Amino acid sequence: SQQGEEDPQALSIQEGENATMNCSYKTSINNLQWYRQNSGRGLVHLILIRSNEREKHSGRLRVTLDTSKKSSSLLITASRAADTASYFCATDPAGTALIFGKGTTLSVSS
Amino acid sequence: EAGVAQSPRYKIIEKRQSVAFWCNPISGHATLYWYQQILGQGPKLLIQFQNNGVVDDSQLPKDRFSAERLKGVDSTLKIQPAKLEDSAVYLCASSSRRESGNTIYFGEGSWLTVV
Repeated sequence: SQQGEEDPQALSIQEGENATMNCSYKTSINNLQWYRQNSGRGLVHLILIRSNEREKHSGRLRVTLDTSKKSSSLLITASRAADTASYFCATDPAGTALIFGKGTTLSVSS
Repeated sequence: EAGVAQSPRYKIIEKRQSVAFWCNPISGHATLYWYQQILGQGPKLLIQFQNNGVVDDSQLPKDRFSAERLKGVDSTLKIQPAKLEDSAVYLCASSSRRESGNTIYFGEGSWLTVV
């Protein structure tokens, strides 16, 4: 079963612009993670935010979490062509294995 | 540090045939996962091992899929007989602990096409 649902499904922007993607989930969580997947590759961990945190930064990434709305957002600032990938949010409602959403496909053109 | 190794990378088989995928996790990682990712969707957990024991296999289609991790290190996922809807990428992943908030490290995946 899918816990997270990303929005939008696809996003196309120009280099230098900011990209924002959202994730909604259904059950209470301990933490939420974001992963990136380049075409034909495995998933790479980007950032983790715990349920008692509201915002977290890592380089050009900014993640927010609103547990009252059961939602999270991932902001990538000053996008580059190399950011072109699919982005997935993942939660662990049962406390162990991650459950992934369907992902947002980001395309950054130069 | 070597990453999660998977083989083969690509496999094409006919329906009703069998296939096996192999995974070697990051050294020292006790937890190993197999995920199935159908094109355009997110990964779906098939099975989770802690050392050589199964933690969760609730979404594994046990009539055709099997997985083992006999010595608590590498693992094999088998499909027999394969169906057209099994066409997907099979991702192996590992983590050092099974607790919440642990980062999971993925392999590059094994791409299966069933014709």
